[in-house]
Amino acid sequence: DAKTTQPPSMDCAEGRAANLPCNHSTISGNEYVYWYRQIHSQGPQYIIHGLKNNETNEMASLIITEDRKSSTLILPHATLRDTAVYYCIVSAGREYGNKLVFGAGTILRVKS
Amino acid sequence: DAGVTQSPTHLIKTRGQQVTLRCSPKSGHDTVSWYQQALGQGPQFIFQYYEEEERQRGNFPDRFSGHQFPNYSSELNVNALLLGDSALYLCASSLGGQTMFFGQGTRLTVV
Repeated sequence: DAKTTQPPSMDCAEGRAANLPCNHSTISGNEYVYWYRQIHSQGPQYIIHGLKNNETNEMASLIITEDRKSSTLILPHATLRDTAVYYCIVSAGREYGNKLVFGAGTILRVKS
Repeated sequence: DAGVTQSPTHLIKTRGQQVTLRCSPKSGHDTVSWYQQALGQGPQFIFQYYEEEERQRGNFPDRFSGHQFPNYSSELNVNALLLGDSALYLCASSLGGQTMFFGQGTRLTVV
């Protein structure tokens, strides 16, 4: 079973920031928080990941609470092309690879 | 630099037949994982290959098998196809325990 809880859907106005929450209250000390998105039956696209500190890249920012029990993915200026299913996943890196356990994700609809 | 590539993109098979799906990992990656995604659901982990061995396996029957070659590419084989095997099959690659990147998938339809 997935170790994360996400709202089933969210709406966001184009050009505004999209803030996608994720609860992971049972996260272990060695587990990372990963975010992927999937646009209409394409393969999941990696967005960002973090362990303890907040992270930012060209796509998004990841804010992780101090107790690491929840996090928020921020798309700073959402566009229509950001409409997708967003998956929050916790996983520990291992010598021979992660095993990602996907939940149902959040359907983000960006509207003009 | 090509990312993860999968072939074929679409496939139609008849119940009872066997199918082989192929995956080439991202350059520099040594670990390949396979996922099955039924319509409207999140991807489900099938198994993972590293150093040409199956290292982890999800809750899938033995009809699902795989192989990893010395060049790190991989195949997924499914025997005795059932209608319920119709799904998007995703391949993902990584360098050890680092970030996993997915291909665009193979859409398998069993009729």
